[in-house]
Amino acid sequence: GESVGLHLPTLSVQEGDNSIINCAYSNSASDYFIWYKQESGKGPQFIIDIRSNMDKRQGQRVTVLLNKTVKHLSLQIAATQPGDSAVYFCAESPSGYSTLTFGKGTMLLVSP
Amino acid sequence: DAGITQSPRHKVTETGTPVTLRCHQTENHRYMYWYRQDPGHGLRLIHYSYGVKDTDKGEVSDGYSVSRSKTEDFLLTLESATSSQTSVYFCAISNERDRVKKETQYFGPGTRLLVL
Repeated sequence: GESVGLHLPTLSVQEGDNSIINCAYSNSASDYFIWYKQESGKGPQFIIDIRSNMDKRQGQRVTVLLNKTVKHLSLQIAATQPGDSAVYFCAESPSGYSTLTFGKGTMLLVSP
Repeated sequence: DAGITQSPRHKVTETGTPVTLRCHQTENHRYMYWYRQDPGHGLRLIHYSYGVKDTDKGEVSDGYSVSRSKTEDFLLTLESATSSQTSVYFCAISNERDRVKKETQYFGPGTRLLVL
């Protein structure tokens, strides 16, 4: 089975609802942030990124919000679909480094 | 998977044996990374490379070594495998040119390693 999802915070929504997944990051010096989606048995898949000189960025059905004051990142998914069911990770990159530090992840469950 | 392959995809080995995992990319990206993923820990960086023969340690590098003799290949070696190294290993690549304008990391499909 897929053990990556064990003991993760879980968000359960109905199909068609909007979903909001939150992430508190740790390093006030981080200047680049990414959201990834990971489906069972697959590698993390890039969703959207944002740089620290922005507060908001929109993609197709997704929006990322960055609040540097409280070190908080959120991913909003509009009109959530069953295919959005997955584990979602935020990742941060400190200024001057080319590495990422990942959060523990949130499992999103979408019921029809 | 952005032109990234990992081999093998699954491996079972015994404690004390050496194991080498391979990551191959066709994107000509400069940066390559090795992560491990475990329940409760998320993804953790093992080692990364910023060019041929240029590598650096990550958060959990003990017990692992890497080599990059060609742009397209990044090898991860467990010198003497232990049960604590049972994990799913992911390779990632990035087209980052400098640390100011960062670029996204794209991940491979992963290798499941079981050390008995």
